[in-house]
Amino acid sequence: GAVVSQHPSWVICKSGTSVKIECRSLDFQATTMFWYRQFPKQSLMLMATSNEGSKATYEQGVEKDKFLINHASLTLSTLTVTSAHPEDSSFYICSASKGAQLGEQFFGPGTRLTVL
Amino acid sequence: QKEVEQNSGPLSVPEGAIASLNCTYSDRGSQSFFWYRQYSGKSPELIMSIYSNGDQEDGRFTAQLNKASQYVSLLIRDSQPSDSATYLCAVAGSGNTGKLIFGQGTTLQVKP
Repeated sequence: GAVVSQHPSWVICKSGTSVKIECRSLDFQATTMFWYRQFPKQSLMLMATSNEGSKATYEQGVEKDKFLINHASLTLSTLTVTSAHPEDSSFYICSASKGAQLGEQFFGPGTRLTVL
Repeated sequence: QKEVEQNSGPLSVPEGAIASLNCTYSDRGSQSFFWYRQYSGKSPELIMSIYSNGDQEDGRFTAQLNKASQYVSLLIRDSQPSDSATYLCAVAGSGNTGKLIFGQGTTLQVKP
């Protein structure tokens, strides 16, 4: 199996607060985890790549001080959206790779963030 | 700019027909190719992987890869209304990072 969970599934917060999203690989050890953002009617946009024990690699245009990523273990990565604003409202999805096949990623169910 | 292109659709087929979805990619060094299905409001689900030229079949799904033409396709036989979704083509580029480049997705509508 290759099951990835995310928590919470949805969150509503006030502008200026921080929100933490957890991503866990439940039945395998993930060599790499990825964080995506998806706006309505658009495709996935990769935000960052994280490997256990090392700093995340952010894609161009993604503010690393705003989107803090911690990859504490081979089964857990967290994304913290700091000082969230309404424009950060989006569907955040993580994925995890077993490392067996290049590019093969298994996605979590996603977290819908609404910032008021 | 490495790109993956898909026709956004919608592609409409009657129930029981074959749905054919196509994808082209620009990075000739790409090594791995994937098709994901995404229902509205849900996250993507991996349905097919293909790594070498030719066909890869799994149940009603067949993925086809032609590296010379930089072309990947997905055939869905005996299409069902439950197949109605957006299908994302994803390509792992030549950089060996494991990152995927996604197409914009093709929306498939299967009409009963």
